[in-house]
Amino acid sequence: DVKVTQSSRYLVKRTGEKVFLECVQDMDHENMFWYRQDPGLGLRLIYFSYDVKMKEKGDIPEGYSVSREKKERFSLILESASTNQTSMYLCASRTVDPGELFFGEGSRLTVL
Amino acid sequence: GENVEQHPSTLSVQEGDSAVIKCTYSDSASNYFPWYKQELGKRPQLIIDIRSNVGEKKDQRIAVTLNKTAKHFSLHITETQPEDSAVYFCAASTAGNKLTFGGGTRVLVKP
Repeated sequence: DVKVTQSSRYLVKRTGEKVFLECVQDMDHENMFWYRQDPGLGLRLIYFSYDVKMKEKGDIPEGYSVSREKKERFSLILESASTNQTSMYLCASRTVDPGELFFGEGSRLTVL
Repeated sequence: GENVEQHPSTLSVQEGDSAVIKCTYSDSASNYFPWYKQELGKRPQLIIDIRSNVGEKKDQRIAVTLNKTAKHFSLHITETQPEDSAVYFCAASTAGNKLTFGGGTRVLVKP
């Protein structure tokens, strides 16, 4: 059973703070993704990674960066959080392309 | 890049009736079309997918149809049950590329 674990379910941060969201998967998947979920806008891709130390911009990368130092771990970084980054963040992984995405439970971030 | 539009945004049906959700996509090179279901407070999970070399696929009460010429695909749920209440997302992708999701449809099945 694939497990994708996001480190924090709920976070409250202040404007300008640096925010780290971590995601770990236990199935040796090559591909990992960070999505942002907002009502009516579906799931929008922020960044994805096909391999260790590799990253590709998604549709809305502005204001975000990522790190993938190990195959199982993919981190999303908000260098200076802003109120418009208040959202639900979902991490996902998959082994083959195309193929099923396995999602984490999400991290709900509120920026005050 | 790919753009996926999904309609309707909300859908209310009586238990036992059918539900249909429609999606259109813009990139004619897209060849993989999955559907995800997200129950309240839970993670999205794949319920069915279809590839471009197939026109229709069925799995028990759910089916997906694809019209490549018109660039649209649909999810059909028959004999709806209360546990079908959820948000459904369609998506499209080309090989070796990212998955683009539609805006989601909130389905409510009334007992």
